[in-house]
Amino acid sequence: GAGVSQSPSNKVTEKGKDVELRCDPISGHTALYWYRQSLGQGLEFLIYFQGNSAPDKSGLPSDRFSAERTGGSVSTLTIQRTQQEDSAVYLCASSLEMGPQPQHFGDGTRLSIL
Amino acid sequence: LAKTTQPISMDSYEGQEVNITCSHNNIATNDYITWYQQFPSQGPRFIIQGYKTKVTNEVASLFIPADRKSSTLSLPRVSLSDTAVYYCLVGGPNTGNQFYFGTGTSLTVIP
Repeated sequence: GAGVSQSPSNKVTEKGKDVELRCDPISGHTALYWYRQSLGQGLEFLIYFQGNSAPDKSGLPSDRFSAERTGGSVSTLTIQRTQQEDSAVYLCASSLEMGPQPQHFGDGTRLSIL
Repeated sequence: LAKTTQPISMDSYEGQEVNITCSHNNIATNDYITWYQQFPSQGPRFIIQGYKTKVTNEVASLFIPADRKSSTLSLPRVSLSDTAVYYCLVGGPNTGNQFYFGTGTSLTVIP
């Protein structure tokens, strides 16, 4: 079947604007994860969902970041009032369930803040 | 807090076996270890996963010593197409289902 799909693949926006990044996980996968990849910070875990629930939001970099998942499927990561330091590749992954299951990654959204 | 470190880069000739080690001194009980391969402009791709001892699949082996403070990914007989960045990922329920990627090892396979 299809893999994890992320959209848009690239996003360029001006500082101060809000952006919404979308992730479509593999069908039937109950767990979903967001990561950020940047030159300075490497691969950084942001948040995970078990079903529609995100029990721990402490990995989100600031209160400008929020994430939701509805219907146990699609997830959106929203960044409000973007700053230049938000420029990075945002990666989404899904796994069949939480626990020792491989996480399958999408190819990410490359976000550039001007 | 699981801090994971890896060598920054490695070179190898085609056909040789490559071993990449990840250090995770603060690994928690029930954390598991996963290795990924990443090519430019792509997301990480799953290679292998384990908890302890040795795991082998059709592309790699994973060695985890008894203290689990490190793990070694072994790639047999590498080819040019194995040139990529390799990451270990450590995490699980005892760290609140938080996951920590290693710093990544850039492997260059030389003809």
